[in-house]
Amino acid sequence: QKEVEQNSGPLSVPEGAIASLNCTYSDRGSQSFFWYRQYSGKSPELIMSIYSNGDKEDGRFTAQLNKASQYVSLLIRDSQPSDSATYLCAVRLQGGSQGNLIFGKGTKLSVKP
Amino acid sequence: GEEVAQTPKHLVRGEGQKAKLYCAPIKGHSYVFWYQQVLKNEFKFLISFQNENVFDETGMPKERFSAKCLPNSPCSLEIQATKLEDSAVYFCASSLPSGYQYFGPGTRLTVT
Repeated sequence: QKEVEQNSGPLSVPEGAIASLNCTYSDRGSQSFFWYRQYSGKSPELIMSIYSNGDKEDGRFTAQLNKASQYVSLLIRDSQPSDSATYLCAVRLQGGSQGNLIFGKGTKLSVKP
Repeated sequence: GEEVAQTPKHLVRGEGQKAKLYCAPIKGHSYVFWYQQVLKNEFKFLISFQNENVFDETGMPKERFSAKCLPNSPCSLEIQATKLEDSAVYFCASSLPSGYQYFGPGTRLTVT
């Protein structure tokens, strides 16, 4: 059973703080890693992708990948109330885009003004 | 189009009735994926297509679920004889051969 685990939260942070979201995965053959944001009643929206060990930064978001520890994280700097949503970690086994995504159950983030 | 389109937005069926959901992928995207989201966050992969060919159907409950992607038509997901546990939001996603999966707005199926 290939699994992706996330702390369900809720994770509550004050506005302007750093939010840290974590994810572990079970299959060492996993190749591609994604963070999606899902607002209540909406569809998942891609935030970040990461494929190799290390950090990847995009604006206020930084994704970190450690394949040896089978661990992916997402840091959100200068958190805003509009960042309040559920963050889904998703893993794909194959390197190309053909493979389906395996999702964690998501971490609910609440940013308090 | 530039977005994945799904119809209908909401669908209500009595237990045992048939349900049919539609998905139009982003123009030019050759891969289509269907996912089921239950209990708010739990995503389950159902099936994927490469153009009109089934690519991976390992997630499909085959006895009641079927899906097609025919040329020049929206893709469809059909559930024969719906059960209460089929109540969920069904998301369609599409991608290029070397791209990300973009999700449609979903169809909320309620089985009563």
